[in-house]
This record gives sequence, structure tokens and C-alpha cells, in this order.
Amino acid sequence: NAGVTQTPKFQVLKTGQSMTLQCAQDMNHEYMSWYRQDPGMGLRLIHYSVGAGITDQGEVPNGYNVSRSTTEDFPLRLLSAAPSQTSVYFCASRVIAGGIYEQYFGPGTRLTVT
Amino acid sequence: KNEVEQSPQNLTAQEGEFITINCSYSVGISALHWLQQHPGGGIVSLFMLSSGKKKHGRLIATINIQEKHSSLHITASHPRDSAVYICAVRFYNTDKLIFGTGTRLQVFP
Repeated sequence: NAGVTQTPKFQVLKTGQSMTLQCAQDMNHEYMSWYRQDPGMGLRLIHYSVGAGITDQGEVPNGYNVSRSTTEDFPLRLLSAAPSQTSVYFCASRVIAGGIYEQYFGPGTRLTVT
Repeated sequence: KNEVEQSPQNLTAQEGEFITINCSYSVGISALHWLQQHPGGGIVSLFMLSSGKKKHGRLIATINIQEKHSSLHITASHPRDSAVYICAVRFYNTDKLIFGTGTRLQVFP
């Protein structure tokens, strides 16, 4: 299994540009999520999905869109990039079954908005 | 106020030292997680605890539900243990994780 994969690893955008961060998992997990990590703060939940066709907002959803057309893929779209969106973005998938809670993270995407 | 507090924020140690990282939280939880973030950025889960103690190799995690406190111990620390260690909790009635800000550990030879 490749686990959770993310592309790109690094990206520089100009203010106002849009882009999509890709996330895929091959573990057949229903639950996927996007976090952002900023200096001095814990990981914060942007959006999550409990299955194909179902998405919901997390703690910091403004400026981001998601969709979940398949179990495997959960892309994150930045509609009009702002310097405040400079961050490291992590996609994660998880399984909860029989008392087991296992969360798997992608390698992260470092985004800089100038 | 962050609902999950970690201490210390930064920690340096000599190889072989016993390390303790602490995590406190504000209200009752259903479980607590310890994660490790490597210098390259990748995050891996180390432990999930709802009571007592768990051990994996040189890592030991304990939790005191009454005190709302957990510790992560590393015995015989090694430079390869250098990483950021993150505590995260799941509060009752939700399965979302709330993350602490992490403890940056550097172990020198």
C-alpha cells in the first residue's frame, strides 16, 4: 500500500491564484480530512469527509473547497490564494473499527502565497 | 486558551538520557493520541490511550484520566528520536482530534 499520498510537495502561488492540492489513499478508508499546520499552533482541521459524496467543514474552512467523488481521492481547492494561507497542509485518512482508531497522514504540502 | 497544552515546547538532551514530554487537557476525553513528526515533515501515530499505560520499544505513554494529564517517555534516547512530538485528544461526543502545539526534541550524540 502507498498509504496517503499528496501532491505537490511544494508550491508557490501569487495572491489571487487558485490551485488544487491532491490527496489520495489506497486503504479504502471512508474518513478523510485536511489539516493545516502553522508555527506555534496545533494542526487545525479545514474540511473532512465521512465517505464519497459527503463533506463537511472543520475549524478553519474559509477560502477552501473540497469534494469527494471517490473513496480514494479528496482534493483541496484554494479558490483565491491569500498570504494567510501560507502553511503546511496535511491530508489524512482514518479507520475506526472495533475500538481501533488509526489515522494516517500524507507527507504534507508546503504552500507559500506571495 | 488551547484545550491541549504540551510542555516543554523545546527539549534538548544528550544521547542516553531519559526524556519526558507532558500533555494536559481541559475537559474529559475519550482518548488521547501521541504522534511523531519527523524533521522531513511526515507524521506518524505512536500511541492511542484511553487509560493506563502503553509501551512500544523505548517509548512509554501513560495517562491519568483524573488529573487530565498524559506523559510520553523515551528511555535511552538516541539522536534518531529527534522530532516533534504531538499530543492530540478526542473529546466525548466527537471523533475529531484537537492537537497540541508539539514538543520539539533534539537529542545530541
